[in-house]
Order: sequence, then C-alpha cells, then structure tokens
Amino acid sequence: GENVEQHPSTLSVQEGDSAVIKCTYSDSASNYFPWYKQELGKGPQLIIDIRSNVGEKKDQRIAVTLNKTAKHFSLHITETQPEDSAVYFCAASRADGDSGYSTLTFGKGTMLLVSP
Amino acid sequence: DAGVTQSPTHLIKTRGQQVTLRCSPKSGHDTVSWYQQALGQGPQFIFQYYEEEERQRGNFPDRFSGHQFPNYSSELNVNALLLGDSALYLCASSSAGTPPNEKLFFGSGTQLSVL
Repeated sequence: GENVEQHPSTLSVQEGDSAVIKCTYSDSASNYFPWYKQELGKGPQLIIDIRSNVGEKKDQRIAVTLNKTAKHFSLHITETQPEDSAVYFCAASRADGDSGYSTLTFGKGTMLLVSP
Repeated sequence: DAGVTQSPTHLIKTRGQQVTLRCSPKSGHDTVSWYQQALGQGPQFIFQYYEEEERQRGNFPDRFSGHQFPNYSSELNVNALLLGDSALYLCASSSAGTPPNEKLFFGSGTQLSVL
C-alpha cells in the first residue's frame, strides 16, 4: 500500500519567517495530495490540495509544490504568524483500479511553532 | 452551518467492552469516513459509508463495524475493546459530487480511552 513520509516532525520559526514541510510518497499512481492543519482539540482542516497534473498551487501565504518524478511534495508557508502554530499533515490518495474509489494515506505530521 | 458533529467528545471504557461513536455530517454531504488517530500519529482510514453501505475499508479488524442511516449520519462500533484501541476517532464527511476522500471535512473527534 501507499506509504507517506513527512519531515520534519517539529519545526520552530520566528514570526515573519517562512516554513517548509516536505513529504514523500511511495505509490506512483497517487494523484491527489492534500494538506491538513490540526489545532489542539480540533479535527484536521483542509488548507490546500493539489492534483498530479499540476506542479504548483498557491493560496495567499500558502503554496504547495509537487515533483511527480521524485515522488515528493512540499508545503510552503510565507510570512508566518503565531496563529499558524499547529500540526500539519500531508496525505496522498489514489483511485482504486477496480472500484474507482480512492484511499487517503496521511503522514505522521509536523508540529509547527511560530514564536512572536 | 453546523459542520461535522461527533458525540461523545470523550469516553472511557474497560477492556472487553463495546463502544458506539456517532457522527452527523456537514449539511449537504452524504459520504462519511471514519479515521483512527493515535497520539502523535496521522489519521488512519477505517472505512467509508455511502448510501448506507460500506464502500471502502482500511486495514482494521472486524471488531470495527459501522452503519450509515438514511439521514446520512453514521455510527462506528468497536467490540471487544483492547488497550490499543485508545485513540482519537475522527469522522469526516464529503459530498458525492467530489471524488471519494477529497475535500474532507473533519469533526473534532471522540477521544476514547480504554483502561
């Protein structure tokens, strides 16, 4: 099955700095790559996603890049703010060949701490 | 819009007992997925329900079962609880108009502790 590795496990930055979180996946058939943000006591919240036919996607301070050849994708947060502090999860999904249904595999998460 | 609601928020059980967790999907959503999140780990897919049937299942034993009702709400049942079942159980909903497992909306989860 799919295996998603995420690095680093923790990341500390100063307010205003950029933060980068990287993930690799094992299944070359994966074609959908979402990123989720999980705050303490809450469920994960989708912040951005990208499909395999796109190399980069940006939404205000957040961007995701995808390298299909190397099977890795990254989350970039610019001008970080204290409210960006949370655990971030990457995930990969592919359609099941027989049923057409997809399964979503998550990485282990990155705890981002933004200091004022 | 109430979003995805789960109940209860916390639950304490002992080994061997059975537990039922409940989920109401976001308004307009008809697909419900359940995930188990152990401490310090990412969510792991348990199963997904659509049109009151289990459509996809992850690598979890038969002790884990579920149900979806005509109003799209769902239950997760776990029998013969083990200490290792202690985790945050997350419900996620999505619309049949989007591909499965895309654009998921998660609830805040039920924290299950097995003693």
